[in-house]
Amino acid sequence: DVKVTQSSRYLVKRTGEKVFLECVQDMDHENMFWYRQDPGLGLRLIYFSYDVKMKEKGDIPEGYSVSREKKERFSLILESASTNQTSMYLCASSSGREMYEQYFGPGTRLTVT
Amino acid sequence: QKEVEQNSGPLSVPEGAIASLNCTYSDRGSQSFFWYRQYSGKSPELIMSIYSNGDKEDGRFTAQLNKASQYVSLLIRDSQPSDSATYLCAVGTGFQKLVFGTGTRLLVSP
Repeated sequence: DVKVTQSSRYLVKRTGEKVFLECVQDMDHENMFWYRQDPGLGLRLIYFSYDVKMKEKGDIPEGYSVSREKKERFSLILESASTNQTSMYLCASSSGREMYEQYFGPGTRLTVT
Repeated sequence: QKEVEQNSGPLSVPEGAIASLNCTYSDRGSQSFFWYRQYSGKSPELIMSIYSNGDKEDGRFTAQLNKASQYVSLLIRDSQPSDSATYLCAVGTGFQKLVFGTGTRLLVSP
């Protein structure tokens, strides 16, 4: 079974803090993704990576950056957290061979106060 | 902007009935289609994928794809209260990316 893990289930941070969200997958998948999910807006792609040290902007990259130094690990960084970044953050991975099937981690519910 | 549209629901069905969930998409070039189930407070779980026109069955689930009409559906037979969840339709577009609908909430009453 594909296993995608995320570093925290719940996180509370203050406005202006730098926040790191970590995602690890154990299936040797090439592609990794970061989404945020908000009521009424659905899942929105923030960034994705199709190889180590490669990254591509998604639909809503503003205020975020990412890092992929190892194949299994993809980090999302909020440079200066703001209250409008309060959300559920979901990491997913996929193999380039599996016709786009993405598998999600458990999610991190981030609250910025 | 490539879009995936779903009725937000809730769709209410009695236990044992067939639940029918629908999705339309805008990108004619899409070749891969998925249904995810998401329980409240949990992450999406992949339950069906379909790539060709027609039906694909897996247990109580049947996915149906009509590329000419740009329409994907999910049928759940013998619905159970444990099927109560939000169902997300996702469409492959661009390089390994998915576009998600906002989901349909399904309520199965005992």
